Amino acid sequence: NAGVTQTPKFRVLKTGQSMTLLCAQDMNHEYMYWYRQDPGMGLRLIHYSVGEGTTAKGEVPDGYNVSRLKKQNFLLGLESAAPSQTSVYFCASRPGELNQPQHFGDGTRLSIL
Amino acid sequence: GQNIDQPTEMTATEGAIVQINCTYQTSGFNGLFWYQQHAGEAPTFLSYNVLDGLEEKGRFSSFLSRSKGYSYLLLKELQMKDSASYLCAVRDRGYKYIFGTGTRLKVLA
Repeated sequence: NAGVTQTPKFRVLKTGQSMTLLCAQDMNHEYMYWYRQDPGMGLRLIHYSVGEGTTAKGEVPDGYNVSRLKKQNFLLGLESAAPSQTSVYFCASRPGELNQPQHFGDGTRLSIL
Repeated sequence: GQNIDQPTEMTATEGAIVQINCTYQTSGFNGLFWYQQHAGEAPTFLSYNVLDGLEEKGRFSSFLSRSKGYSYLLLKELQMKDSASYLCAVRDRGYKYIFGTGTRLKVLA
């Protein structure tokens, strides 16, 4: 059982380039989340989804777009990468029951030069 | 505003007991979670509290007081492998989670 899988694990981009981070979960979870983690800042919510075909903005959505065309996949896009987007990105999913925790992927380490 | 406060760093000795505090101010409350995160790895779930009181899971316990906006994570019989960051997170409005900046725990031999 793979759980939550993020690809790629590492990436280096130049300022202005675009890219898509993929999150895939095989647990049939309804909810999916994208976070970024920066030193001293904790995990901050970028966008989230409460079900297939739905997305919503989190705390720091600017410069990012998301899509959830299939229940198991949640894509995070960087339209025009900026050095301020250098971070570790974590995807998480959880089932519908409120007492169940989020399950996190291993993260994507992204550097923007 | 929404705010979660945790100490930045703590140090304890192997075999000891350590308590990591978390205070929160959020616009709504729908549960509090504790996660463990080793350096360079993903957070992993430790405990969940939604009602006041103590939840015990082996060497780990978590306490919640909703009226005080306060929780703590208690780690007993500390082991070297417990050296990690401990993240406190509050769920509000049912869908969104607010995370504290984490407490980095160092366990010394």
